[in-house]
Parts: sequence; C-alpha cells; structure tokens
Amino acid sequence: DTEVTQTPKHLVMGMTNKKSLKCEQHMGHRAMYWYKQKAKKPPELMFVYSYEKLSINESVPSRFSPECPNSSLLNLHLHALQPEDSALYLCASSQESTGKGEKLFFGSGTQLSVL
Amino acid sequence: AQSVTQLDSQVPVFEEAPVELRCNYSSSVSVYLFWYVQYPNQGLQLLLKYLSGSTLVKGINGFEAEFNKSQTSFHLRKPSVHISDTAEYFCAVSKPGGYQKVTFGTGTKLQVIP
Repeated sequence: DTEVTQTPKHLVMGMTNKKSLKCEQHMGHRAMYWYKQKAKKPPELMFVYSYEKLSINESVPSRFSPECPNSSLLNLHLHALQPEDSALYLCASSQESTGKGEKLFFGSGTQLSVL
Repeated sequence: AQSVTQLDSQVPVFEEAPVELRCNYSSSVSVYLFWYVQYPNQGLQLLLKYLSGSTLVKGINGFEAEFNKSQTSFHLRKPSVHISDTAEYFCAVSKPGGYQKVTFGTGTKLQVIP
C-alpha cells in the first residue's frame, strides 16, 4: 500500500463552521505534512510532523489546527476560516523527516471552498 | 534561503517530440533537487531527485534531469513525449539536515499536442 488517503475530497464551509480534514497512510512513514495549494500556484508548506510531534509550523494562522493522533493519521481542524483560505489542501508523508532528501508521497487533496 | 525558478509557465510540444523544462536554483549551500509532476485533480508524484553523485539522474516515465552546479540548473528532459505527459511539473529544492522542508517552484504546464 503506497497510498496517502485524504477525506473528504471536496468541502464547502461557511466562515463560522468548524470542520476537519483527514489524512491516512499505512506505509509506516514517521513524517507527515500539510501543504496548501492555491489555484495555479505551487504547494506551500504549512506543517511538518515527525514521530507524531509538530516539528515545523510555517507561521500558519491559528484558525488552522493540526493534530497527529498516531503515526498513520493526520488531521487538520478548521475554524472561522476566511474566503481567501479556499484552496487545495494536500497531505504528504515520508519515511522520516531528517533532511536527507526523502521522497514525499502525496494524497489527492481536499478542495476547500469557504463561503 | 534556497529557492528555485521555473521561467516557463507553459511549454507546448507536439507528441513524440523532445522536451526540456527549465529549472534554476539559488542557494549559498548544497541543496537537494527534485522534480514532481501533478496530473489534473491529483496530488504530486516524484519523478526524480538529485542528492549527490552522478549529475545525470534518471527517473520514472522516461524522464531524466542533469544537475549543473556551475549554471545552478536542474533541467528536466524527455526524448519523446506522449499525450499522457500533459501535466504540471514542479521543480523543488530542500536543504540537507534538519527537517524535510521542500520548497516548490511556480510550475511549468506541459501541454502535449497530438
């Protein structure tokens, strides 16, 4: 199994809603990532988890709250988002995150629209 | 900080013709370089990467890239493209050590014309 599975595939939410994005992998990877990709732009790193601990937070607003309950699962909790937060949210994993050029395995993403 | 530049936002090419997608990097230290491909409505997939050693790197789907330190380039090539190669291609860079923090270029849309 070399897949990273993201749910839901599409999400529409109002600015007052609370929702969560889910990401799962069963490759035994110990590092997981959240990226944000706006239309026709490159992915931008948001968070890195290594061995279930938050290792990098790229100054992401607190309305985005990541959680890594175990080594296979990564969540992104969303609250009070703004319309400009509408984007494709990509989850990725790698064997580890030790800065040795590890290959990233990406999910297909959740397309989020904030109304 | 390290960065990559992809000057071509779109590259149209006829089927079975060769193609080169350009990528230049900027860094004051050694870097790792990658090419990822994104098909419509999908995540990214690694094509190839350069960590060290041989400057010619072969990847999946018949792609290859050459690391050129003097020109700070890492161009992607394929001798004969197929319709199925139509996609967005991202050059990316990371710095050795620390956590894996990959920075992507702005992407090049490869449009293969039948």
